[in-house]
Amino acid sequence: QVQLQESGPGLVKPSGTLSLTCAVSGGSISSSNWWSWVRQPPGKGLEWIGKIFHSGSTDYNPSLKSRVTISVDKSKNQFSLRLSSVTAADTAVYYCARELYSSALYYFDYWGQGTLVTVSS
Amino acid sequence: DIQMTQSPSSLSASVGDRVTITCRASQSISTSLNWYQQKPGKAPKLLIYAASSLQSGVPSRLSGSGSGTDFTLTISSLQPEDFATYYCQQTYIIPRTFGQGTKVEIK
Repeated sequence: QVQLQESGPGLVKPSGTLSLTCAVSGGSISSSNWWSWVRQPPGKGLEWIGKIFHSGSTDYNPSLKSRVTISVDKSKNQFSLRLSSVTAADTAVYYCARELYSSALYYFDYWGQGTLVTVSS
Repeated sequence: DIQMTQSPSSLSASVGDRVTITCRASQSISTSLNWYQQKPGKAPKLLIYAASSLQSGVPSRLSGSGSGTDFTLTISSLQPEDFATYYCQQTYIIPRTFGQGTKVEIK
């Protein structure tokens, strides 16, 4: 059973950088899957941020691409998110998730519990 | 980006009712459509992948159908644990996009 756990500061100052890590257990981050970040502002819907493969290959949402970096640390079986120049609009619950690739189809089968990040001075 | 539009945005139903939620994509996505359930304070849970395949452990009263641009999630007999918000998601192209959600409430 794969488990994902987000960690990082719950409060970030405006114009600062949001940094989160997702620890993967019960499976290898070097498997044939992608690893994604998704966020959800309070009371709103889901927004995909980006994803990474264990090789380091990444895809980002164009709406956030200029501010986002996703990286992987295979030795620690974890991946990370950095979002720069944050504003109040970046306040959200941030989820990490596994994007399973099977038979040319993709779906998010495992999710972390989510962590609330508030942008405020 | 592919826009995903769900309808209705919310609905009220009783236990035992048949419930249908629709999701329309702004362009064809074949069957690259997934459905998730989210309860307050919890992470989304995968229900249906590839438009109609039931995720392991998900009750058979849930089903999905459709291809191209029009998709449907059906709950044949609504149970108390089904009251939640449901999201569709396309994984046909980058960026992945979600519908705005459909909240299923108790009548």
